[in-house]
Amino acid sequence: KNQVEQSPQSLIILEGKNCTLQCNYTVSPFSNLRWYKQDTGRGPVSLTIMTFSENTKSNGRYTATLDADTKQSSLHITASQLSDSASYICVVSVAGTASKLTFGTGTRLQVTL
Amino acid sequence: NAGVTQTPKFQVLKTGQSMTLQCAQDMNHNSMYWYRQDPGMGLRLIYYSASEGTTDKGEVPNGYNVSRLNKREFSLRLESAAPSQTSVYFCASSEASFGAVGYGYTFGSGTRLTVV
Repeated sequence: KNQVEQSPQSLIILEGKNCTLQCNYTVSPFSNLRWYKQDTGRGPVSLTIMTFSENTKSNGRYTATLDADTKQSSLHITASQLSDSASYICVVSVAGTASKLTFGTGTRLQVTL
Repeated sequence: NAGVTQTPKFQVLKTGQSMTLQCAQDMNHNSMYWYRQDPGMGLRLIYYSASEGTTDKGEVPNGYNVSRLNKREFSLRLESAAPSQTSVYFCASSEASFGAVGYGYTFGSGTRLTVV
């Protein structure tokens, strides 16, 4: 069964600090992996998309890494801001004609003063 | 602003009532999707439309029907609402079907539905 597991479930950090969120997947065959940010009461917004051949991709203060051999990804947030408070969702796409997205349950990040 | 627009934002239904959730996108995307998001679970696909004129079941289609009215609009109908359908519903669109490499998804802001 295709699964995406994220850790931790929730995280509280001080403004200005860095943090790393983890994503492990058992999706096969793998097509691509995406990280989304979901603010409370809003829909998910795409941060990065990575294919099998990419192991790092950045979007401002967000840097995603992918290890396709171990089926792990991480999202690193640098110099966190209050506006980074949100849920971060890891999504893996299954390759093939009947491909679909498998969503993780997300990591809830709270950035405090 | 370009994007995906969902209506209504909030709705309370009594068990057995029916309603239609509306979704429209102005990005000329071919594919549209309906997801539900429940606490502790990842988004789950209800129905999708890979292109205008086609619709297919997703992971959790029971109790729902959809209509791809035209390229812009994709509606979700609950014929006889049940408490188990209490959820947040998201519509999304993309240029290509299903997570094709390089094609992002744009999500609406969601409809929070409560069935009592």
